[in-house]
Amino acid sequence: DAGVTQSPTHLIKTRGQHVTLRCSPISGHKSVSWYQQVLGQGPQFIFQYYEKEERGRGNFPDRFSARQFPNYSSELNVNALLLGDSALYLCASSGMLNEQFFGPGTRLTVL
Amino acid sequence: AQKVTQAQTEISVVEKEDVTLDCVYETRDTTYYLFWYKQPPSGELVFLIRRNSFDEQNEISGRYSWNFQKSTSSFNFTITASQVVDSAVYFCALNGNTDKLIFGTGTRLQVFP
Repeated sequence: DAGVTQSPTHLIKTRGQHVTLRCSPISGHKSVSWYQQVLGQGPQFIFQYYEKEERGRGNFPDRFSARQFPNYSSELNVNALLLGDSALYLCASSGMLNEQFFGPGTRLTVL
Repeated sequence: AQKVTQAQTEISVVEKEDVTLDCVYETRDTTYYLFWYKQPPSGELVFLIRRNSFDEQNEISGRYSWNFQKSTSSFNFTITASQVVDSAVYFCALNGNTDKLIFGTGTRLQVFP
């Protein structure tokens, strides 16, 4: 079975632009979570979605939004990019046992 | 508040040495889960183990072992006979009544040949 997939792998944007990151969970998993990992730190929780409903939101500004589609894939959108948004964005999917399996991440660089 | 502390920022060992990575957590939840993840240079977080708060049995998986002690709020990870391929950043994480993972700051392990 395929693991969690994310696209794109790398992305370079300039300040003020917006970006859309995509994630496909493991087959059969209905929950997707997004994390931001700044260099040298642990991942920070951004959002969790389950069955297309938002179940949790971390301490991030409204510039960050997400949604989940009927096939359980998800998008993370970030508007009005700032230099500080440069990070590795990780998507995790989880099934019934609460274990979260992570994708390879999207490395976003904001210039 | 929930918190995970990994006091060791970086550890260097020579191959075949044993190494223990420390993890201390804080939570008021009575039911919670603890995790360890490995992050190699490629960046992907690799799931290693999940332990729930009611199961204090130590676990061994090959060269890996985990020591969960509720009395000291610790969930330490030991690699026996370390290998160069073990070089990575290791994260301890906590999951309580919410579904989000709270991560520590990670411990960078470097294993030299």
